[in-house]
Amino acid sequence: EIVLTQSPGTLSLSPGERATLSCRASQSVSDNYLAWYQQKPGQAPRLLIYGAFSRATGIPDRFSGSGSGTDFTLTISRLEPEDFAVYYCQQYGTSPVTFGQGTKVEIK
Amino acid sequence: EVQLVESGGGLVQPGGSLRLSCAASGFTLSTYVMHWVRQAPGKGLEYVSAITRGGTTVYADSVKGRFTSSRDNSRNTLYLQMGSLTAEDMAVYYCARGRVELGTRDRDAFDIWGQGTMVTVSS
Repeated sequence: EIVLTQSPGTLSLSPGERATLSCRASQSVSDNYLAWYQQKPGQAPRLLIYGAFSRATGIPDRFSGSGSGTDFTLTISRLEPEDFAVYYCQQYGTSPVTFGQGTKVEIK
Repeated sequence: EVQLVESGGGLVQPGGSLRLSCAASGFTLSTYVMHWVRQAPGKGLEYVSAITRGGTTVYADSVKGRFTSSRDNSRNTLYLQMGSLTAEDMAVYYCARGRVELGTRDRDAFDIWGQGTMVTVSS
């Protein structure tokens, strides 16, 4: 099974700042089948990025994904108040599908 | 509106069974691979199961042999039959849609999620 390790565990930033979240895989993610999700308290996850860098429908362009192989990054260019949440990466290239443990982006 | 609505969660005793339902609206269930993901209280996301358009199923090792996914395309509804439940199965259970319509892979990113249904295992 591919283990995804997200860092940092918590990111404390102010609105308007840039957020950089990392997701490292224990082995190469096939075809860069790597997705990112945002989850707010009491809500279901929301798909942000799929295929490592493609934005899902309706996702603002301040969210961008990059990386390949074993190292992936989610960048939020300028944090809006609604962006403070927990973010998960997911690989769906190899069975079983696995998720990272999450990065919490909190208001500094 | 494209939507998934889960139901069937609740309190069950250790060793008991429960069946979850996931009703789809706004799209045709039969054209998508569907999935179940769970989240224990205060924890991260854990993949549970997939069911392809043809009914082939995939399970996480943690639930294999105890859980069964099925789908009734005529009712636009997905099911998760859960048995031999333990405290480790206590979680919010989400159904989710695979992103690619007419997809052939049992793995995908999930573009539509239900609101989740809580399963509590306790005596």
